[in-house]
Amino acid sequence: EVQLVESGGDLIQPGGSLRLSCAASGFSVSDNYVSWVRQAPRKGLEWLSVFYNGGSTFYADSVKGRFTVSSDNSRNTLYLQMNSLRADDTALYYCALSTETGALDNWGQGTLVTVSS
Amino acid sequence: DIVMTQTPLSSPVTLGQPASISCRSSQGLVHSSGNTYLSWLQQRPGQPPRLLIYKISNRFSGVPDRFSGSGAGTDFTLRISRVEAEDVGVYYCMQTTQFPWTFGQGTKLEI
Repeated sequence: EVQLVESGGDLIQPGGSLRLSCAASGFSVSDNYVSWVRQAPRKGLEWLSVFYNGGSTFYADSVKGRFTVSSDNSRNTLYLQMNSLRADDTALYYCALSTETGALDNWGQGTLVTVSS
Repeated sequence: DIVMTQTPLSSPVTLGQPASISCRSSQGLVHSSGNTYLSWLQQRPGQPPRLLIYKISNRFSGVPDRFSGSGAGTDFTLRISRVEAEDVGVYYCMQTTQFPWTFGQGTKLEI
């Protein structure tokens, strides 16, 4: 059974850094497309990045240069390193898997990041 | 970037009646593979999003057959044949044809 579990969300001051984790089971992160998506309070979904082909990445302009995705194959876990955090990065952060559907077909429950002084 | 525009943004519906949501993309969504990666997701209150429809018209595993998708080119539609109470939530279209992948603004379905 496919499962994604996000963790690492916290209250962080503006300008700070945080690393989120997405622990995967039932599939291999290195063999699939795994995305990060966020949802600000009472707002819509925003796609942030994708990790695919074992090490390729693509980022939305809103996070390019500040956020970095990496993986630990031994832990089958995806990470989102977030630097220079701003108040508008406050959101629930999800990781999601794309399989042969080509869509985001499996989602975690999300982890909450609050950027505030 | 491909912009996804949904209409309406809010849709009051009646139980047992049909409902539809439109999604328009700023560019065609046909991938070099020949597939069109347009999907629909449902987000119930307090829940993560859930995939309903992929590649325009394919229902994902476990999705009731009252949900259907159609369209081509830049215009796509999600239809619910008979709305049930559990269908309340926000619906998003999404394109995964071209990076960056993008969502529509969301359509709130309310009874």
